[in-house]
Amino acid sequence: GAGVSQSPSNKVTEKGKDVELRCDPISGHTALYWYRQSLGQGLEFLIYFQGNSAPDKSGLPSDRFSAERTGGSVSTLTIQRTQQEDSAVYLCASSSRRNTIYFGEGSWLTVV
Amino acid sequence: GQNIDQPTEMTATEGAIVQINCTYQTSGFNGLFWYQQHAGEAPTFLSYNVLDGLEEKGRFSSFLSRSKGYSYLLLKELQMKDSASYLCAVDPGLNDYKLSFGAGTTVTVRA
Repeated sequence: GAGVSQSPSNKVTEKGKDVELRCDPISGHTALYWYRQSLGQGLEFLIYFQGNSAPDKSGLPSDRFSAERTGGSVSTLTIQRTQQEDSAVYLCASSSRRNTIYFGEGSWLTVV
Repeated sequence: GQNIDQPTEMTATEGAIVQINCTYQTSGFNGLFWYQQHAGEAPTFLSYNVLDGLEEKGRFSSFLSRSKGYSYLLLKELQMKDSASYLCAVDPGLNDYKLSFGAGTTVTVRA
């Protein structure tokens, strides 16, 4: 498709398990973002990738969270040893220029 | 730190006008985004204001006052499909690409 694609759309996992969330940005977009949205909360920045530059990881909440972007395209957000407070919607976005950022539909994560 | 405030909820009647305010206090400012988000869906880009003033796009308009740290989104001729959450987000600018989002305003349009 033409938009930002995320998978899985829904994930239920047991506390302590690891999860991987995938994002396929819009083709040609050099910038890629991960945000987290908890119920009733604003979007929380997690990590930003721009081309071949070192990513801005300043929003990752703990060392259980990591992300990579391979070949300047697909990105994977990994959460190790999941906790219940990790339950949220994880949104990926991409852009080719600063003033227009497109979001995917998110991966809904529930940790039980 | 970043502080972005917008009302939690607003209700309006079909065909009416609603104005969603957003005030911000941030360490940097390049521009301000407005997004629309229907329940369970991706945020959809509405506008990006950099300069002071009103920008109109069909039924939706967005206003910015940089000196006052204030923006609003104006929705005219409301339709039922406009029921959604509206998010404002500050772009800090320069080499900082981390958008800071408000918690969102849920607009309910009633017949």
